[in-house]
Amino acid sequence: NAGVMQNPRHLVRRRGQEARLRCSPMKGHSHVYWYRQLPEEGLKFMVYLQKENIIDESGMPKERFSAEFPKEGPSILRIQQVVRGDSAAYFCASSSKQGTEAFFGQGTRLTVV
Amino acid sequence: AQKVTQAQTEISVVEKEDVTLDCVYETRDTTYYLFWYKQPPSGELVFLIRRNSFDEQNEISGRYSWNFQKSTSSFNFTITASQVVDSAVYFCALSEILTGANSKLTFGKGITLSVRP
Repeated sequence: NAGVMQNPRHLVRRRGQEARLRCSPMKGHSHVYWYRQLPEEGLKFMVYLQKENIIDESGMPKERFSAEFPKEGPSILRIQQVVRGDSAAYFCASSSKQGTEAFFGQGTRLTVV
Repeated sequence: AQKVTQAQTEISVVEKEDVTLDCVYETRDTTYYLFWYKQPPSGELVFLIRRNSFDEQNEISGRYSWNFQKSTSSFNFTITASQVVDSAVYFCALSEILTGANSKLTFGKGITLSVRP
């Protein structure tokens, strides 16, 4: 039973490019959460999605960031026109239903050069 | 708004010492979950414990123990007889229960624990 899978593990982008981060939840999980960990900081909530719906995006920056969780396929966190300040570790977590434990993926480390 | 404070930023101990990591939280909710996660140098997040706010019993798991004090809003974590493999960043986190997004966690900034041989 595979855990939460995130890919790529490491991603390097030049300023102005787009970054796409993928998260495949655990089998049977339909809830996905994205968190960002800036250097020397704790994790900060970004967005909570269920299949085809964004439930809570209160932690998402207003511009350049978007997330989706389609009916088929992984959840995608998309960052357009990346800037140096976007360099961080992005973690995805999934749960089977509200009220249960969330399992984290290994994270994607984005470096913007 | 919820808040988790981990006042200690870095702790260094010698192997076999006991060490306590402090966590203080703020929430207006009467029911909530508290968590501890470990982040080793490899970077993944390892779940250690989840505690329901209704359950103030202390918990022990091997060399790990947790002291939940609702009166002081604290959820401290003690490692007994520390080992080099315990070296990691430890995060305390808080989530609501009643609003539904139970896995929306508020994290502290983490404590970097270094255990020297």
